[in-house]
Amino acid sequence: AQTVTQSQPEMSVQEAETVTLSCTYDTSESDYYLFWYKQPPSRQMILVIRQEAYKQQNATENRFSVNFQKAAKSFSLKISDSQLGDAAMYFCAYRRTNTGNQFYFGTGTSLTVIP
Amino acid sequence: GAVVSQHPSRVICKSGTSVKIECRSLDFQATTMFWYRQFPKKSLMLMATSNEGSKATYEQGVEKDKFLINHASLTLSTLTVTSAHPEDSSFYICSARVDRAGGYTFGSGTRLTVV
Repeated sequence: AQTVTQSQPEMSVQEAETVTLSCTYDTSESDYYLFWYKQPPSRQMILVIRQEAYKQQNATENRFSVNFQKAAKSFSLKISDSQLGDAAMYFCAYRRTNTGNQFYFGTGTSLTVIP
Repeated sequence: GAVVSQHPSRVICKSGTSVKIECRSLDFQATTMFWYRQFPKKSLMLMATSNEGSKATYEQGVEKDKFLINHASLTLSTLTVTSAHPEDSSFYICSARVDRAGGYTFGSGTRLTVV
């Protein structure tokens, strides 16, 4: 069974600084997707970044980048130049590549941005 | 971008009554939708997968007679909580596959409170 683990229930970062959120997962599949979703107080799930497992290059979206270590089954999210609007709950998620498959979510990391 | 509209955003109902939650794909056809439940400060847990024109597939431990899912068209899936009890109070979120590349989008969620 697939499991996703986020070992940091809460993190804080000073505005304009960099923070890294950790995520590990367990799977026997060789091809899959990994995601980071942001859930602000509005509770809307917002896709932050996506990584295809077959791609060796780490995904980057503006201030957000990942460190994908496939052998170690690690998928951390780095937020650079943190902004107040980055404060939210962040969920790491896994999904198999077959269409129609569900997401497996981690337990989330609550990020606080300190002005 | 692809949008899933979820309604209502908040609902309060009395114990013993039924509540229907709708998820509509506004600009794409959603052959598969997922229904998740999220407890306070917890992760999203998959309840069921609904496929257009067929019966939903429920996760272990989810009562299919209590949580009725209907996916009668390519743009609408509904979740009906029947004979609601206070322990059914939770945040419910739907998700739909947008494209073959594995893109998914989430509804904005429904806060259900049973009193």
